Amino acid sequence: GESVGLHLPTLSVQEGDNSIINCAYSNSASDYFIWYKQESGKGPQFIIDIRSNMDKRQGQRVTVLLNKTVKHLSLQIAATQPGDSAVYFCAENPPADGLTFGKGTHLIIQP
Amino acid sequence: KAGVTQTPRYLIKTRGQQVTLSCSPISGHRSVSWYQQTPGQGLQFLFEYFSETQRNKGNFPGRFSGRQFSNSRSEMNVSTLELGDSALYLCASSLLFAENTEAFFGQGTRLTVV
Repeated sequence: GESVGLHLPTLSVQEGDNSIINCAYSNSASDYFIWYKQESGKGPQFIIDIRSNMDKRQGQRVTVLLNKTVKHLSLQIAATQPGDSAVYFCAENPPADGLTFGKGTHLIIQP
Repeated sequence: KAGVTQTPRYLIKTRGQQVTLSCSPISGHRSVSWYQQTPGQGLQFLFEYFSETQRNKGNFPGRFSGRQFSNSRSEMNVSTLELGDSALYLCASSLLFAENTEAFFGQGTRLTVV
């Protein structure tokens, strides 16, 4: 049968603007969440994580927000740069299981 | 220190054959997980090993198996290859087996089944 690829959501932003990437997770028992960045031909690269006892965590130019009520994560990237172009995945870590990844969002930086 | 190393980077196999992929975790890391990445299904968890024991397993058929050695290096094996097994196979290592532990990924092995 025909193979259908995932149609990744695409977010296009101007260089220097802020980017916000959203993710819905599925398991209300998950208590650890991670954002990964994957560039073409490379494995996922850790960006930032957050535990369920927090609702916000900041890193260098990145902020993760967690809303457990609606099972939603977001990644904010400040002052987006060309090197930020990649596919971004959120991942949840349910108890006694491996990481469950979202479908990914393709971030494109416009000059 | 060196990151997660996966070998080989690329592999072409024929349907029905079997394949073994290798993963060397970051020095000191004792947990190794394997994931399959395809355009159709995205990133999916295969299994996790810690101290030479499989701790968790994803929803894949028995043709997919793995093992971990005393030095924490891990191998995964796929027998009776099918066209649909063509994918990027990723290995991730963590310091310990537990939730809430950052996982570092290797570059992956690109397997093509023809």
